[in-house]
Amino acid sequence: QQPVQSPQAVILREGEDAVINCSSSKALYSVHWYRQKHGEAPVFLMILLKGGEQKGHDKISASFNEKKQQSSLYLTASQLSYSGTYFCGTGQANAGKSTFGDGTTLTVKP
Amino acid sequence: NAGVTQTPKFQVLKTGQSMTLQCAQDMNHEYMSWYRQDPGMGLRLIHYSVGAGITDQGEVPNGYNVSRSTTEDFPLRLLSAAPSQTSVYFCASSPRRAYTQHFGDGTRLSIL
Repeated sequence: QQPVQSPQAVILREGEDAVINCSSSKALYSVHWYRQKHGEAPVFLMILLKGGEQKGHDKISASFNEKKQQSSLYLTASQLSYSGTYFCGTGQANAGKSTFGDGTTLTVKP
Repeated sequence: NAGVTQTPKFQVLKTGQSMTLQCAQDMNHEYMSWYRQDPGMGLRLIHYSVGAGITDQGEVPNGYNVSRSTTEDFPLRLLSAAPSQTSVYFCASSPRRAYTQHFGDGTRLSIL
């Protein structure tokens, strides 16, 4: 069962903030986030393994609510380079696979 | 560092032809997966492997076969190509169960 991402698309001006959500109907062992530019492979951003754990990378951070089986990706003071499609990947504790949401397309305009 | 290498990068097939997409990784990762990505869509898991000699089906396995004879290689075989299999195929490897996926550059496959 693939995770569900929301919103499907976001349009921002430079400097604005955005939140992308990822939820699953199954108990999660891990949530990992990727950004994909058009015509390229997904690039890893960060992974969260414990409930309540928060990770950060520059002005991009994420949280993981294990009880709610949800994760959120926070992009603050967005830059033009943040444009792309963001995917969350999820894994269960008893499975060797990771499944992905349908992605959220983020467009940052000057 | 090579990471995950996929070949070929582009391929055009006719309906009914068969072919093998190659994937090799040099990071000694136990876990490997194949995904397909249709235009404007997400990544769909085709098959995955948790180690040499062990494979399992993902979300969309029909029309594809895999094998894992070594830790390094995880080829994907299209048995009889159909236009619905036109897509970009990504191979990924991971050092741990349900962990970060390291993606190859992808194979862009068109079936006429």
